[in-house]
Amino acid sequence: QVQLVQSGAEVKKPGASVKVSCKASGYTFSGYYLHWVRQAPGQGLEWMGWINPHSGGTKYAQKFQGRVTLTRDTSISTGYMELNSLRSDDTAIYYCARVETTPSWYGDHWGQGTLVTVSS
Amino acid sequence: QSALTQPASISGSPGQSITISCTGTSSDVGFYDFVSWYQQHPGKAPKLLIYDVRNRPSGVSNRFSGSKSGNTASLTISGLQAEDEADYYCISYTSSSTSYVFGTGTKVTVL
Repeated sequence: QVQLVQSGAEVKKPGASVKVSCKASGYTFSGYYLHWVRQAPGQGLEWMGWINPHSGGTKYAQKFQGRVTLTRDTSISTGYMELNSLRSDDTAIYYCARVETTPSWYGDHWGQGTLVTVSS
Repeated sequence: QSALTQPASISGSPGQSITISCTGTSSDVGFYDFVSWYQQHPGKAPKLLIYDVRNRPSGVSNRFSGSKSGNTASLTISGLQAEDEADYYCISYTSSSTSYVFGTGTKVTVL
């Protein structure tokens, strides 16, 4: 069955970087876009960007341009989200989601989420 | 890119129907039929209910239906059940930066 398993919770200091992984199984990794979405405590969902695992092409939300990098390692069916220059308002649960194509959004499988806490 | 506008909360009694609106602009909801809806229970990942405005993934109850008129998309839940108590989010493709934007979210309470 399709699964997206993310890495564990992280605690970081302001100004640091964090890298979250998302390991896919049960489907052809390169056949689906991998999107990243975050949710601050008690807040709504926020789209961050996508990576095409086949080509490595990426698209980022303007808000995160220059601060986020999406990569992938097709040999181990894993995507990564790295966020730099962390601030306290980056404290959130970060999700990866498999989406069939673009621009249509058929995001039927999500990771379990990774809590990133930014605190001094 | 501003979030799409949803009502903060909606409530209904078991068996009733409720409709959640998702209002955007002519650059997103109004231009593209690429609106999806999610249900999220506390502490859980979102679950896809509707894609491309009105299509239901297999396994999703037919009590959930989607539609669109102008710049506003809507999700209707018919025959409201206790298990429908959750947060609901819309998401649309937008020509602004050719990206995606979520709605502000709606908390549904079953009375």
